[in-house]
Amino acid sequence: DGGITQSPKYLFRKEGQNVTLSCEQNLNHDAMYWYRQDPGQGLRLIYYSQIVNDFQKGDIAEGYSVSREKKESFPLTVTSAQKNPTAFYLCASSRTGANEQFFGPGTRLTVL
Amino acid sequence: GDSVTQMEGPVTLSEEAFLTINCTYTATGYPSLFWYVQYPGEGLQLLLKATKADDKGSNKGFEATYRKETTSFHLEKGSVQVSDSAVYFCALRYSGAGSYQLTFGKGTKLSVIP
Repeated sequence: DGGITQSPKYLFRKEGQNVTLSCEQNLNHDAMYWYRQDPGQGLRLIYYSQIVNDFQKGDIAEGYSVSREKKESFPLTVTSAQKNPTAFYLCASSRTGANEQFFGPGTRLTVL
Repeated sequence: GDSVTQMEGPVTLSEEAFLTINCTYTATGYPSLFWYVQYPGEGLQLLLKATKADDKGSNKGFEATYRKETTSFHLEKGSVQVSDSAVYFCALRYSGAGSYQLTFGKGTKLSVIP
């Protein structure tokens, strides 16, 4: 079955540590996205990529980094520079120019 | 910039009640409009969409009509079930060239009680 997988589902990290969240899709989509979800604030775009080896900052990119070395994969690194990283992180993908984005199940990151 | 405003929750309804969740938007041009649903602990699923004025999106008994004159896309369902309990997000995608970003409302939590 085609879809988007995110791992791990739950992630704990100590303050000051970098952590990488995985996102893989087998939908053959060119575009991929990372969103952050906080209670009562909806979803906010962190980074997006329209094609391999290219990505753009979203609304809240500070303290995050991404790479897009393969079409199927778009990992997100939460660095120690992110002041409040505890949140639910959602990855999505879409065909180029398409309206609909497909979402993964999410990763809940907690900083201890 | 583009923005989406939806009614604040939580909304609690009895089973078989009528549901309306209001959504209004501010955008340049002619955006596409969406409703997504998020069940507890899961990602978002597209519920319905409309790409031009007067279009009606529908799915699983839910409906929403793209009203350009009132810049609205209200979600309705005639008879809710307990299984409809979830968070509902209204979103828009600007139709301009090079635009790929979805802009979301803050979400409305719906609880349906038996």
